[in-house]
Amino acid sequence: GAVVSQHPSRVICKSGTSVKIECRSLDFQATTMFWYRQFPKQSLMLMATSNEGSKATYEQGVEKDKFLINHASLTLSTLTVTSAHPEDSSFYICSARDRASGRARGNEQFFGPGTRLTVL
Amino acid sequence: GQNIDQPTEMTATEGAIVQINCTYQTSGFNGLFWYQQHAGEAPTFLSYNVLDGLEEKGRFSSFLSRSKGYSYLLLKELQMKDSASYLCVGGAAGNKLTFGGGTRVLVKP
Repeated sequence: GAVVSQHPSRVICKSGTSVKIECRSLDFQATTMFWYRQFPKQSLMLMATSNEGSKATYEQGVEKDKFLINHASLTLSTLTVTSAHPEDSSFYICSARDRASGRARGNEQFFGPGTRLTVL
Repeated sequence: GQNIDQPTEMTATEGAIVQINCTYQTSGFNGLFWYQQHAGEAPTFLSYNVLDGLEEKGRFSSFLSRSKGYSYLLLKELQMKDSASYLCVGGAAGNKLTFGGGTRVLVKP
């Protein structure tokens, strides 16, 4: 099946530093990847849609200058949390849609294992 | 709007059946997913309904009524490992997913 990996799985950083999270589709090509954030006991909230070769589309209320997204290839998207602060501590999850998926599964997305970010 | 409503928590006994209901405002969705999420892990796909009716897959079944904006996930023969959050998720144009708040299911022995 389709596998999505994330790296790192866990990161602890000091306030003010930047953190880069990688999302890779391992056995399929993904023209579109999605970045979500999940706070404890809450559901996933879409942050942005990452499109290969073009600018990401950010959801309302998400600062594009703070959460930099780069989708340089069909198998890799990166999210950089710039000048991280404690309130950015969260579980960040990426997902990818297989561009070759058929109609039967519609717009199913395959999720990475998540990255837990803790900002001290 | 695309609000998705589902109960916050449910408790059931091992071996029993539990039905998780989900209601949503119908505009904009072209399919309804159910995902399972264990604490601290990413969601895993359970089912996808695009047409009205029941889809059965092993111990899990999912039902959709588009006109009523209603879906349910049925878990049969509950096992302890089924303790998790179950997310009702709407699929929309542009491949966007909208997640409900999730229903935490606790299976007791």
